[in-house]
Amino acid sequence: DVVMTQSPLSLPVTLGQPASISCRSSQSLVYSDGNTYLNWFQQRPGQSPRRLIYKVSNRDSGVPDRFSGSGSGTDFTLKISRVEAEDVGVYYCMQGTHYRRYTFGQGTKLEIK
Amino acid sequence: EVQLVESGGGLVQPGGSLRLSCAASGFTFSSYWMHWVRQAPGKGLVWVSRINSDGSSTSYADSVKGRFTISRDNAKNTLYLQMNSLRAEDTAVYYCARDRPLSEHQGDYWGQGTLVTVSS
Repeated sequence: DVVMTQSPLSLPVTLGQPASISCRSSQSLVYSDGNTYLNWFQQRPGQSPRRLIYKVSNRDSGVPDRFSGSGSGTDFTLKISRVEAEDVGVYYCMQGTHYRRYTFGQGTKLEIK
Repeated sequence: EVQLVESGGGLVQPGGSLRLSCAASGFTFSSYWMHWVRQAPGKGLVWVSRINSDGSSTSYADSVKGRFTISRDNAKNTLYLQMNSLRAEDTAVYYCARDRPLSEHQGDYWGQGTLVTVSS
C-alpha cells in the first residue's frame, strides 16, 4: 500500500500569517494518463471532511483562494497564504492514483497561536 | 444538491453486528464508486472499504477483511456496510464518500457520519 506522510503534525500559526503543510507519498502518484491524483481535505472541529484541493492544485468550488496546492511525483504541499480563524482544524492529504483504496496522511492540526 | 446521509450506528457489544446505511441523493448513484472511511475518537481518517459502481468489485482494509461486507442497492440509491464480529477498536465515526476513480470526483462529497461504539 501507498503510505502518505504529513509534516508537521501540529501547526500553531498567528492570524494573518502563512502556513504550509507537507505530504510525501511512498510511491509516485503520477498515473499513466499523466495526471497526479493527490487531494487535500479540511476537517473543522465537529464536522465531516471537506475536500479543498484535487489533482494537486485545483481548488474546489467555494474554497478561498488563500488555499493553494503544489507538488509533483511524491512531494506535495498545501499552503494557506494568510491564516484566518475559520481555518482551524485538521488537514489531510489523500492519494487517489492507486485508486482501489484511498490512503490518507496522518493529519496536520492547525491551531491559532 | 448532492447529499449522503449515514444511519445505523449505535452501541453494540463486542462480537456483535451492525449494519450501516448511506442514503444518496442529488446525483446518479449508480455511476459512482463508494467508500467507507472511519475515524476513531481523536484520531485520523482511515479507509475501510470501497465498492465499484455496479457492486461487482469490492476491497477492504486488512483490519476489517472477513468481518465487514460492503454492498449497494442502486435501485434504492443506498450503500451498506455490514459489520460482524465487532471489536472495541472498531469504535469510530463511519463516513461514506463518493468517488469516480481518476477524476475530479474523488472524495468530493462525504456524509455527516454515524457513530459506532463497541463496548460491553
